[in-house]
Amino acid sequence: KNEVEQSPQNLTAQEGEFITINCSYSVGISALHWLQQHPGGGIVSLFMLSSGKKKHGRLIATINIQEKHSSLHITASHPRDSAVYICAVQGAQKLVFGQGTRLTINP
Amino acid sequence: DTAVSQTPKYLVTQMGNDKSIKCEQNLGHDTMYWYKQDSKKFLKIMFSYNNKELIINETVPNRFSPKSPDKAHLNLHINSLELGDSAVYFCASSRNSGMTYEQYFGPGTRLTVT
Repeated sequence: KNEVEQSPQNLTAQEGEFITINCSYSVGISALHWLQQHPGGGIVSLFMLSSGKKKHGRLIATINIQEKHSSLHITASHPRDSAVYICAVQGAQKLVFGQGTRLTINP
Repeated sequence: DTAVSQTPKYLVTQMGNDKSIKCEQNLGHDTMYWYKQDSKKFLKIMFSYNNKELIINETVPNRFSPKSPDKAHLNLHINSLELGDSAVYFCASSRNSGMTYEQYFGPGTRLTVT
């Protein structure tokens, strides 16, 4: 079993829907990162959080340290949000990654 | 200006060859990383350098040798390439490794070994 588990692995939705991607981890961490990998392959950091909640535009990330769980929400989803979303936890100077969630938003 | 750059973007080579991938960051960061992304898109750390010193070597075969001539550059040399080395290799950097900082990724190098 991976130290970082994401669900779902694949998600297809219609434009405008509210999207939730979940991440659970089993190790102690100093921070949790949400990354976005575009179809072209580039990786962009969306959020880094160690407690509570962060918001950037239509994206919201939350973390519950006690439950070792984080969620990434996308409001009013758009086809340009189609990408792979990767959760990564930071501990002992390195990132450990989840397997990614492939999100497809249909117009 | 590109923050983290890698060359080449694509690399096709035959088994047994030796190849290098170069990485440069212009962010003034102290820490640089190499990650491998396999065919299932799973990312895993290979190496981490802080101010030119190796701090993480994640059980990578000896055929892989990172070199950091200065803190802005981290190159990856691979000897005797094998089919299983085919993957996308990402370089990344962060302010330093001692605390939690956002990581900035390069565009990736797709290595295909035939």
